[in-house]
Amino acid sequence: AQTVTQSQPEMSVQEAETVTLSCTYDTSENNYYLFWYKQPPSRQMILVIRQEAYKQQNATENRFSVNFQKAAKSFSLKISDSQLGDTAMYFCAFTVGGATNKLIFGTGTLLAVQP
Amino acid sequence: GAVVSQHPSWVICKSGTSVKIECRSLDFQATTMFWYRQFPKQSLMLMATSNEGSKATYEQGVEKDKFLINHASLTLSTLTVTSAHPEDSSFYICSARGGRGWENSPLHFGNGTRLTVT
Repeated sequence: AQTVTQSQPEMSVQEAETVTLSCTYDTSENNYYLFWYKQPPSRQMILVIRQEAYKQQNATENRFSVNFQKAAKSFSLKISDSQLGDTAMYFCAFTVGGATNKLIFGTGTLLAVQP
Repeated sequence: GAVVSQHPSWVICKSGTSVKIECRSLDFQATTMFWYRQFPKQSLMLMATSNEGSKATYEQGVEKDKFLINHASLTLSTLTVTSAHPEDSSFYICSARGGRGWENSPLHFGNGTRLTVT
């Protein structure tokens, strides 16, 4: 079974500080893709960053970066210089290559950025 | 960027009635659409995958006769909750993918529909 686990239900960080959200996954596939999505109070799902499993280089997107450890099946998200607008639910997600390409979500981490 | 429009954004209906939710891809052709359900403070649970012109594939535990999915065109998928009950009250989100291969077609999400059944 393919699963995504986020062990931190809630986290808090001070504005301008750095925070890391953890995510582990389980799959027997070799070709897959990992994502972090953000869901603010508006409930709109927003893609934050994505990583192809075949790429060794960690993805970065401005203040957001990942630490992808394929052997450990770990995919953590680092947010630098946290801003109040980063307050949201963050979901780690995973999809394998193939016709259906369905996206499996973790349970989410509620991040609160404190002023 | 690619836009997915979901309508209505919220709906209140009485028990026993049916409700239809629409998901449209506005500026791309969506060969595959996904329907998710989200309970308060919980994750998104995949309900079904719909492919244009074919029957939807439902996840285990999802009643296909209760949650009817139609994907008759490359830009529209609909989810109909039939004979709705209060326990069907939830937030429903659609997402769409177009093209071939995920590199050219990441998932685009609608804004969701909050369904309340009284």
